[in-house]
Amino acid sequence: GAVVSQHPSWVICKSGTSVKIECRSLDFQATTMFWYRQFPKQSLMLMATSNEGSKATYEQGVEKDKFLINHASLTLSTLTVTSAHPEDSSFYICSAGPPAGAGGDTQYFGPGTRLTVL
Amino acid sequence: AQSVTQLGSHVSVSEGALVLLRCNYSSSVPPYLFWYVQYPNQGLQLLLKYTTGATLVKGINGFEAEFKKSETSFHLTKPSAHMSDAAEYFCAVRGGDQGGKLIFGQGTELSVKP
Repeated sequence: GAVVSQHPSWVICKSGTSVKIECRSLDFQATTMFWYRQFPKQSLMLMATSNEGSKATYEQGVEKDKFLINHASLTLSTLTVTSAHPEDSSFYICSAGPPAGAGGDTQYFGPGTRLTVL
Repeated sequence: AQSVTQLGSHVSVSEGALVLLRCNYSSSVPPYLFWYVQYPNQGLQLLLKYTTGATLVKGINGFEAEFKKSETSFHLTKPSAHMSDAAEYFCAVRGGDQGGKLIFGQGTELSVKP
C-alpha cells in the first residue's frame, strides 16, 4: 500500500515551453502533497506544499508564477514548470501523506521526474 | 526551526562490515525522525522512522536507528553491509504536527566494497 506515482518519469523540452508533471497517490487519499527539487549529488529541496482545494504554500525563493501547483483532488497534484529554461533542469520528486483520515506520520515518495530543458 | 546535519557526505565500507551513518537534528518541538534511501534516478524509500515510544527502531533491510534525545542524534546502523546497500541515504526531521513538511539532511552516499 501507500504507492505514489509520477508521470512522466522523464521529459525533454525546448526552452520557453511549459511542462506538466503529475503526482498521484494510487491507493490512498492525500490532503497534502509536497514537491521537491533535487540537483545531482544534492539533497532534496522542498519547493512547495500542495493542499487539496486550496492554494499551494511555496517555500522562500521559489517563484510561484513559474512553478504552478494544482491539487484538484485527493489523489492528484500537478506541477507545471512554465517557460522552462535550462536552469530548471532537475529531478523533481513529489511526496504524499500522511493518508487522509487514517492518522499516521509518513510521507510516501514518487519515483521522480527527470526534466531536461534544451 | 528544525534542521538536520548528516556527518560525512560519503561513507565507504567493506562488504560484511558495520554500517554507521550519522545524523544530528535540531528541533524546537518533539521531533519525528526518518531515514530514507535513494537509489540512482529513483525516488525515496522509507527505511525507518521514530515518532514516539521505543527509542531503538528497526527498519527494512536490517537497518536500525536509535533516537538519543540527550545527543540530538538519530544514527543509522546495520551490522553487516551488503553490496545492495550502496545508495544515498537521507535523514529527515519533521515537527510533531501531522502533515508537516520534512527537512532533509545533505545526504550520505554509502559505497560498499567487495
